[in-house]
Amino acid sequence: DAGVIQSPRHEVTEMGQEVTLRCKPISGHDYLFWYRQTMMRGLELLIYFNNNVPIDDSGMPEDRFSAKMPNASFSTLKIQPSEPRDSAVYFCASSFSRRGNEKLFFGSGTQLSVL
Amino acid sequence: GIQVEQSPPDLILQEGANSTLRCNFSDSVNNLQWFHQNPWGQLINLFYIPSGTKQNGRLSATTVATERYSLLYISSSQTTDSGVYFCAVVTGNQFYFGTGTSLTVIP
Repeated sequence: DAGVIQSPRHEVTEMGQEVTLRCKPISGHDYLFWYRQTMMRGLELLIYFNNNVPIDDSGMPEDRFSAKMPNASFSTLKIQPSEPRDSAVYFCASSFSRRGNEKLFFGSGTQLSVL
Repeated sequence: GIQVEQSPPDLILQEGANSTLRCNFSDSVNNLQWFHQNPWGQLINLFYIPSGTKQNGRLSATTVATERYSLLYISSSQTTDSGVYFCAVVTGNQFYFGTGTSLTVIP
């Protein structure tokens, strides 16, 4: 398997623009997580899905953030409108829930810069 | 939520030295995992270790779940070991990450 695939690797946008980040989890994994990493706050969980259903979105900063998982192989994280304070590295990760096989695998991340 | 503390926060080693990183957690967990974030930002899963000891080359990890801690041992460190080491504990289906240990290995 190619691992967790994220796109784009880098995104530079202007304040107020819409940003869409994409993620393809490892085939067969039933959990998908979106994390944000900054120097100040470390790794923060934004939202996670189980079998394509959002389970906990309490980490989503505000209504400007939304996430979807229309099928088992694709998820998006959208920010609209974007603000400079959203600048961070956004990671997608996936895991398999069967006991003993719950290793978490991360994608390469999307470096987002909002000017 | 569960608290995860890692120590030391920063560590500088001469190449070839050994080190021990510690992860303490505040409650019972389903499992624990160690990650390495390399200088390019990539997060790599090193160990899935809910209890006991595992070894992978120069790295080994031990988790004592009853005492709520885990240790990551790095032997004969190399410059490629530099980066940040995170532990993450799992309770329910949630992963809780520590703040990491930043390791710099000097040639």
